[in-house]
Amino acid sequence: QSALTQPRSVSGSPGLSVTISCTGTSSNVGAYNYVSWYQQHPGKAPKLIIYDVGSRPSGVPDRFSGSKSGNTASLTISGLQAEDEADYYCCSYAGSHRVFGGGTKVTVL
Amino acid sequence: EVQLVESGGGLVQPGGSLRLSCAASGFTFSTYSINWVRQAPGKGLEWVSYISSSSSSSSRSIIYYADSVKGRFTISRDNAKNSVYLQMNSLRAEDTAVYYCARDRGWLEEYYFDYWGQGTLVTVSP
Repeated sequence: QSALTQPRSVSGSPGLSVTISCTGTSSNVGAYNYVSWYQQHPGKAPKLIIYDVGSRPSGVPDRFSGSKSGNTASLTISGLQAEDEADYYCCSYAGSHRVFGGGTKVTVL
Repeated sequence: EVQLVESGGGLVQPGGSLRLSCAASGFTFSTYSINWVRQAPGKGLEWVSYISSSSSSSSRSIIYYADSVKGRFTISRDNAKNSVYLQMNSLRAEDTAVYYCARDRGWLEEYYFDYWGQGTLVTVSP
């Protein structure tokens, strides 16, 4: 049950785009189209922003998009805004359990 | 309004026990699975345990645990009280974390946590 691999931090200027990768294995990310992404602001509970690789819950801006290729999933934030500064976690279904990535801190310059 | 409210956290000595509760409201509780996810101070999220929905009183829930807590933690649910519990025994310093409950619907292949509670802090220290 090893954690998925995410970069520790990414940064970008307002209005530009950033992409966060999430690398797993053929037992989790590569095996299922059940990757979800969560945004967490300091002191708050995580919030679902992407599910099933690339679907957005109601109310989540379309600036957030997700994709997957092989064992690696990606989250792209387009048109970066100040309120996007937060920690982001990927999560994959892995049969009998779930596995999270280590988290990526997004900084808006 | 969907709500998940955790309680039961606190300070406990190594080797001690604690029972967390997750009280649900605003949705049909029996049709949702509930997970516990924890976050150590300054660290990332770690999935801890899962209990499936149980649509009838005769059906048993499916339960899973992370390797790090298997044999020490026990998850259970009481649909009459719209609650899920996490009994934590033989606690270790590394169990110190904020514990969140989060719902999903695995029986519909909805393997994502769409609502989370606000979390309850467990501190394991002498």
